[in-house]
Amino acid sequence: NAGVTQTPKFQVLKTGQSMTLQCAQDMNHEYMSWYRQDPGMGLRLIHYSVGAGITDQGEVPNGYNVSRSTTEDFPLRLLSAAPSQTSVYFCASSYSNRGSKNIQYFGAGTRLSVL
Amino acid sequence: GESVGLHLPTLSVQEGDNSIINCAYSNSASDYFIWYKQESGKGPQFIIDIRSNMDKRQGQRVTVLLNKTVKHLSLQIAATQPGDSAVYFCAENRRGGADGLTFGKGTHLIIQP
Repeated sequence: NAGVTQTPKFQVLKTGQSMTLQCAQDMNHEYMSWYRQDPGMGLRLIHYSVGAGITDQGEVPNGYNVSRSTTEDFPLRLLSAAPSQTSVYFCASSYSNRGSKNIQYFGAGTRLSVL
Repeated sequence: GESVGLHLPTLSVQEGDNSIINCAYSNSASDYFIWYKQESGKGPQFIIDIRSNMDKRQGQRVTVLLNKTVKHLSLQIAATQPGDSAVYFCAENRRGGADGLTFGKGTHLIIQP
């Protein structure tokens, strides 16, 4: 059981380049989310999905696109990278449970530098 | 602004002592709270959670206390060990749904030998 897998682990881009950060989970979780973490900061929500075909914006969505065609995968796309997007990106998934529990399980992160 | 925050960016404790990490939140509608531990170079790892209808919850060596009157959350770690050295985040799930978590800035727990 791999949990949440993120690829690549490290990436360097030039300003204006595009790329896709991959995220896959094998726990059959309905919910998936993307966060970014900047130095000295907590995680901030970029986009999230409550199931295949359904996505919504989080706190800092600008410059990022997502789609959810399957339960397992939730890629994050940067269409035109900017230095302000230099960060560590975390993908998380969680199961739907009765009540309000939303324990999110995180991947190991992708460290992105935009020059 | 920040909905969830921590009082101290760094906390240094002696090995074997108890650690108390604090967190303040401002959204009275929050109904569920989670503590995460993040070691260097890794993703956040779930430690313990608590619902808003509870005041206290205990796990193995950890206890979370929730004071809704003053909107305060704390994580207590008993008999702190070197492996407890990490950054600790509190997070809230405001509406019990899937709209992600709101994280505080984190407290770096340093264990002195």
